[in-house]
Amino acid sequence: DIQMTQSPSSLSASVGDRVTITCRASQSISTYLNWYQQKLGNGPKLLIYGASSLQSGVPSRFSGSGSGADFTLTISSLQPEDFATYYCQQSYRTPVTFGQGTKVEIK
Amino acid sequence: EVELVEFGGGLAQPGRSLRLSCAASGFTFDDYGMHWVRQVPGKGLEWVSSISWNSGSIDYADSVKGRFTISRDNAKNSLYLQMNSLRAEDTAFYYCARDINGAAAAYYFDYWGRGTLVTVSS
Repeated sequence: DIQMTQSPSSLSASVGDRVTITCRASQSISTYLNWYQQKLGNGPKLLIYGASSLQSGVPSRFSGSGSGADFTLTISSLQPEDFATYYCQQSYRTPVTFGQGTKVEIK
Repeated sequence: EVELVEFGGGLAQPGRSLRLSCAASGFTFDDYGMHWVRQVPGKGLEWVSSISWNSGSIDYADSVKGRFTISRDNAKNSLYLQMNSLRAEDTAFYYCARDINGAAAAYYFDYWGRGTLVTVSS
């Protein structure tokens, strides 16, 4: 199975900060990389697919980049509603697998 | 508005069975592949199973293969997961999720339910 490793596991940031989360795959996955946001008590929400395509309805402050094995999710200016846990997921090969998550907390 | 609502979770003893259901609304159900994904409370996400729009293609994670069965009833806009021979390690929230693609599964998910909790304990 392809292992997905996110860093950091958690971070503290303030409203307005630029936040970057990284995700590394155990092998090349081209751009078959997706990002989700999960808030307590809810299922995840798709933010980015294909490494850099913004899902419909997602604010433009979210962006994704990368290819091969290294990927980044960036929030350009953190908003109060962005405090949540973020997961990357590879859809290159089944079984699809997720990173362990990055919890973004209020500083 | 797309909505997915899971139900059927609860407490089960090891070795027993449970059947989860997912009621879909707000979209043409038989246009999309569907998946089950689970999450141990406070932990990460694990894909469990997938089914194509016409049930012609079905896949399972190794951890549940031979014990779980996914199915769907397009006339009832419903997805199911029959879970047999349950183990303590199956304890998790189970989410129903829609594949972003219709014709061929892309294995990423544009809508999720809120989940139903399955607890396996004696």
